[in-house]
Amino acid sequence: GDSVTQMEGPVTLSEEAFLTINCTYTATGYPSLFWYVQYPGEGLQLLLKATKADDKGSNKGFEATYRKETTSFHLEKGSVQVSDSAVYFCALSDTGRRALTFGSGTRLQVQP
Amino acid sequence: DTGVSQNPRHKITKRGQNVTFRCDPISEHNRLYWYRQTLGQGPEFLTYFQNEAQLEKSRLLSDRFSAERPKGSFSTLEIQRTEQGDSAMYLCASSLEGENGYTFGSGTRLTVV
Repeated sequence: GDSVTQMEGPVTLSEEAFLTINCTYTATGYPSLFWYVQYPGEGLQLLLKATKADDKGSNKGFEATYRKETTSFHLEKGSVQVSDSAVYFCALSDTGRRALTFGSGTRLQVQP
Repeated sequence: DTGVSQNPRHKITKRGQNVTFRCDPISEHNRLYWYRQTLGQGPEFLTYFQNEAQLEKSRLLSDRFSAERPKGSFSTLEIQRTEQGDSAMYLCASSLEGENGYTFGSGTRLTVV
C-alpha cells in the first residue's frame, strides 16, 4: 500500500538557518504530493503541492521538488523564522484515490 | 466564507456512550472527508463523500462508526459504544471536484474516560 516516511523531529534551528525536512514515499500509481503545516492550536493548512515528476511546489519561501527517481519530496526553506515553528506533514494522494496518506509529521522549533 | 467548521471543539465522554460530531464544509465544496489523528501521528483517512454519496470507507471505520451527509452539505460522524482507543482528534476537510488538496477544519478532540 501507499506510505510516507518523514524524518523524525523535533528539528531545532536558529532563526535564519536553512531548513530541510526529508520525505520519501511509496505509491502504486502516480501520486500527487503535498506538504501541510499545523500551527499550535490550529487545523492543517496546505503549504504546497506538486502533481507530477519534476514539478516544484512553492509557497511562503518554502519549496519542494517531486523527485520520481528517488521517490522523495523534501521540504526546504532558505531562512527560517520563529513564526515557522509548527508541525509539518508530508502527504500523497495516489492515482484514482481521493484519500490522503500522511507521514507522522516533523515538529520544527525555531529559536530567536 | 468561514472555512470548514467543526463542532464541538472538545468532547469528553464516558466509555460506552455514543457521541456525534458535526462538520460544515465550505459551501461550494462537494467533497467532504473525515480523518482521525492520534497524538504524534499524521491524520488517517476514515471516509469520503461526494455530495451525499459515501464513496470510500477505510478499514479503520469499524461498525461502531457511521458517517452521513444527508443533503450533500453538512456531515455527521457518530461513534457508538465509545472505547478508550477512540480518543483522538477527528478532522473534517472539504474540496471541490477536480481540486488537489483540501481545506481542513480545526477538528473535534474526543477524550473517552
